[in-house]
Amino acid sequence: QKEVEQNSGPLSVPEGAIASLNCTYSDRVSQSFFWYRQYSGKSPELIMSIYSNGDKEDGRFTAQLNKASQYVSLLIRDSQPSDSATYLCAVRGGGFKTIFGAGTRLFVKA
Amino acid sequence: DVKVTQSSRYLVKRTGEKVFLECVQDMDHENMFWYRQDPGLGLRLIYFSYDVKMKEKGDIPEGYSVSREKKERFSLILESASTNQTSMYLCASSSDRGGTDTQYFGPGTRLTVL
Repeated sequence: QKEVEQNSGPLSVPEGAIASLNCTYSDRVSQSFFWYRQYSGKSPELIMSIYSNGDKEDGRFTAQLNKASQYVSLLIRDSQPSDSATYLCAVRGGGFKTIFGAGTRLFVKA
Repeated sequence: DVKVTQSSRYLVKRTGEKVFLECVQDMDHENMFWYRQDPGLGLRLIYFSYDVKMKEKGDIPEGYSVSREKKERFSLILESASTNQTSMYLCASSSDRGGTDTQYFGPGTRLTVL
């Protein structure tokens, strides 16, 4: 079992719809959770970080964390074609290592 | 803004060559990381460093070594490049100060070993 699992996609949504990206992790002592966006040929950039159970909203993005279920998700409201990218879920446990998922490719159709 | 720079965007080397990839960050971050990224495999940690002259193996250290002589600079060395080391190499830095441990990435170096 991979330590951080994501559906590789591609996930295709129409412009204006809600895109829902999901991630599960195996290490129960994980403390920090991140969503990065990576455009083709570019390096990852941070969208959201979340540290406690519940929802965290930032503009059109909402991160949701459920530690009991070892599940973290990212919702993108009013999806735009510019949101088309690969989204990486990342999880940090008690040490220095952050484990990245393989990423979900999102396509937003105009 | 945090800035992480890498010495080259594209690099072509021959099998057996010694390859140096350099990474510099300007935010006084104590933690620095080297990853490689391959299609379908995501980001895999090669080495990381949490202080000057300190280094720790990541998940795939074989065939690589690192050097961190100064806080802002973290170098990845391929002692004898092989074709299976053709990949995108990403450097990142982070700090545990201020309660956030976000990693900031450099632009990446696409290495091709012929």
